[in-house]
Amino acid sequence: KAGVTQTPRYLIKTRGQQVTLSCSPISGHRSVSWYQQTPGQGLQFLFEYFSETQRNKGNFPGRFSGRQFSNSRSEMNVSTLELGDSALYLCASSLQGGAGTEAFFGQGTRLTVV
Amino acid sequence: GEDVEQSLFLSVREGDSSVINCTYTDSSSTYLYWYKQEPGAGLQLLTYIFSNMDMKQDQRLTVLLNKKDKHLSLRIADTQTGDSAIYFCAESMPGSSNTGKLIFGQGTTLQVKP
Repeated sequence: KAGVTQTPRYLIKTRGQQVTLSCSPISGHRSVSWYQQTPGQGLQFLFEYFSETQRNKGNFPGRFSGRQFSNSRSEMNVSTLELGDSALYLCASSLQGGAGTEAFFGQGTRLTVV
Repeated sequence: GEDVEQSLFLSVREGDSSVINCTYTDSSSTYLYWYKQEPGAGLQLLTYIFSNMDMKQDQRLTVLLNKKDKHLSLRIADTQTGDSAIYFCAESMPGSSNTGKLIFGQGTTLQVKP
C-alpha cells in the first residue's frame, strides 16, 4: 500500500509570490491534515479536510488556504509569501480524522522563501 | 488548555534503555501518540495509547501513562544507533473542534552513542 505522497519535495520562492503544495493520501483515507514545522514554533496545525470540506482550522492567517478533491487529494496554497513562511510543510492522512485514528505523515515539502 | 511538554535532548549508549518523557495538560479523554522523525524525513507513527490505559508494549517499545500526573513516557529497550532521531509526543482530543488535529510537543532529540 503506497504511503502519503507530497509534491514537490523542495521549493524556493521569492517574497510576495504564491505557492501550491500537493498531498496524496493513503488509498481509502478521507481525512487530510496539514502542519507547518519550523525550528522556532515546532509543529503547528494548519487545517483538516474531510470529504472535500474543511472541518477544522488552526491559527494561521488567511494567506494560508487549502482544498480537497473528490479523490481525497489535497492542496494547500500560501499567497503573498513572507520570509517567515519558510518551513517544512507536512500532511497527514487518516481514515476518519477523529481522535484515536492513526495519522500517517508524508515526507513533507521544504519551502524556502528568499 | 492545550500544551504538550518534552525534554529537548537525551543521550544514551548503544544497548542501554532510553526513556523519553512527556507531559500533557488536557484533562478530557484523549489519545497520546509517539512519532519518530529522522533527518530530512516526515513523521513515522511508532505507537499510541488511549488515556484510560496504563501501559502498552510493542516489541522494544513500552509506553507508560500516569493519568494522575498527566505524564507519558516512551521506553526503548536495547537502543540502537538507528534509533537516533527526534521523538515527538502528540495529543489528540475528542470533539468537533479538534477533528484531525494533533498537538505536538517540541520533540526530544535522542542521540545514541556507539
